[in-house]
Parts: sequence; C-alpha cells; structure tokens
Amino acid sequence: DAKTTQPTSMDCAEGRAANLPCNHSTISGNEYVYWYRQIHSQGPQYIIHGLKNNETNEMASLIITEDRKSSTLILPHATLRDTAVYYCIVMAGAGSYQLTFGKGTKLSVIP
Amino acid sequence: GEEVAQTPKHLVRGEGQKAKLYCAPIKGHSYVFWYQQVLKNEFKFLISFQNENVFDETGMPKERFSAKCLPNSPCSLEIQATKLEDSAVYFCASSQPSQGPYEQYFGPGTRLTVT
Repeated sequence: DAKTTQPTSMDCAEGRAANLPCNHSTISGNEYVYWYRQIHSQGPQYIIHGLKNNETNEMASLIITEDRKSSTLILPHATLRDTAVYYCIVMAGAGSYQLTFGKGTKLSVIP
Repeated sequence: GEEVAQTPKHLVRGEGQKAKLYCAPIKGHSYVFWYQQVLKNEFKFLISFQNENVFDETGMPKERFSAKCLPNSPCSLEIQATKLEDSAVYFCASSQPSQGPYEQYFGPGTRLTVT
C-alpha cells in the first residue's frame, strides 16, 4: 500500500472549516483514500473514503486532486468534539483489508 | 449488536501471566480484525478473520500470541506469558465488505497493563 504524509498537528477555530491535507504521491490506480479519526483514546472511527471523485457525507468532504497524489479532508464547521487524531490511509481495492495507520494529524479545535 | 463490544475494558497482569481478551463483532459482519496500539499513535495490525477462518496473520507475533473466532462465541486474543512490552490497548474491528469496501467498525479497546 502507498505511503502517506500528513502534518503532525493543526489548529482550527471552532465553527471554521478544518482542512486536513494528505500526500500520497505513490498511490496506485486501484488504491482508495480512506480517512479515520481517533478521539482521545476511543477506537478509530471511519469518516469517508474515495477513489477518484470528490466525496461528501454527513461528516466531511474529501477532495482528491486530479493526479490523485494528494487529498484534503474538510470538516465544514469544526466543533470541539472534532478534536482528534486524523489518519489518512491508502489501501488497494483487493487484498487483506488490514488498515495501515501512520502517525496522523492531531487536530485541535480551539474555542 | 450494532456496536463492536470488547471485554474487559482494563486488564492487569503480572509478567509471565496469561491474558485473554474478547471481542463480539457487529451482528452480520464476517470480518474481524485485531490491532495493537502501543504508543498513542502507533497502531499495529495483528490478525484478521473471515468468519472462523484466519484471513491474514502476518502481524501476529510467532510466539505467545494466538487468536480464535469460533461460531456463536466472541472472538478471542490470548497472550501466553505476557511481557512488559505487551502493555498496550488492543482494538478489535469488524466489517462486512459487501456493504461497501473497507469501512471497519472499531470497539472501545481493552487496555492491557503488564506489571
């Protein structure tokens, strides 16, 4: 699976959009981009995933560049409860299904 | 159930003792995964099951660790002769690929402390 690079930490003001970048320059054509987050010490929580097109769900939006070498997770109106470590994971469309977590981005939402 | 359940929440063992952790996946999910989180951000995949069959065990330590998923029983992860380095939070996750590629639902974890 392709390696990902994320900033170690970011701050965001409450109510503003949080934009979390991820670089995955070695991504292959059959690899999806997944985002998970871990709030405090809870189990990781799935947020969103995509292959080529931008995706949106009730939690977030995922913007994938045309060359697929990078993506951005957008939390449109960050709340204090969005403070968490966010993981960008690239995984092939077939295989063992295991998730390979990197170090992630620690997002702090500030009142 | 609608959530992955893990028991116990906390487990304390002396070095050399056995530890056994349990996981009940979401009803209807056919895949179960075990992950170990030693430091705050460091996850390690251990093993996965498709129903009661081992699907991928490439992350399992060769010695002391074993896991099972038997029909009509919670899945289990057992560590024989625990070592200090086994202290970690162990997460179980389940998924049903037919419902969408690889979304995994995680349990709350079991914190194992080896003293």
